Amino acid sequence: ILNVEQSPQSLHVQEGDSTNFTCSFPSSNFYALHWYRWETAKSPEALFVMTLNGDEKKKGRISATLNTKEGYSYLYIKGSQPEDSATYLCAPEETSGSRLTFGEGTQLTVNP
Amino acid sequence: DARVTQTPRHKVTEMGQEVTMRCQPILGHNTVFWYRQTMMQGLELLAYFRNRAPLDDSGMPKDRFSAEMPDATLATLKIQPSEPRDSAVYFCASGSWERPPQHFGDGTRLSIL
Repeated sequence: ILNVEQSPQSLHVQEGDSTNFTCSFPSSNFYALHWYRWETAKSPEALFVMTLNGDEKKKGRISATLNTKEGYSYLYIKGSQPEDSATYLCAPEETSGSRLTFGEGTQLTVNP
Repeated sequence: DARVTQTPRHKVTEMGQEVTMRCQPILGHNTVFWYRQTMMQGLELLAYFRNRAPLDDSGMPKDRFSAEMPDATLATLKIQPSEPRDSAVYFCASGSWERPPQHFGDGTRLSIL
């Protein structure tokens, strides 16, 4: 089982603030890194899948970067809105189609 | 949009009863995953299948849990006998080996009294 660490564990920001969180994972045996957004009482929703070192993905105000050599990924949210409040999970994948190992997530609360 | 369908959405039953949770993966997906959400361990993988064959069920208590895929459109997770510590939200996710990511169902919220 991979050791996946996400930080911070929780984060409170004001509406309009930009923020970012970190996902650390073992750099060996890497195939892909997944980011999910998980709202309370709902199911996790896929945000990004990244495979290549230096990959950058963007979806609206949310973007992510990947460094496979050192084993980390950053998720950025620009101009946070209350609807961005959720837990953000990352999960590395060792080989194509294999299990994902989820981190414990960063719980983001955006105050209006 | 295609969705993973889980039934039932909620289940309350007494300790010792058998519980069966069902999952219909997205048509064409060839991997199916069962996860459990707990307070202590976040999202925990119980078992997963590729092309209906079980690949890893090491996260599942074997004495009471069983997971099967009788056909490509149905995955089941059974608990027998159930215990109060099994109370959790159980998620099914399906994916395609060729085209990630995994897509999650809405979960089954299980309460064992």
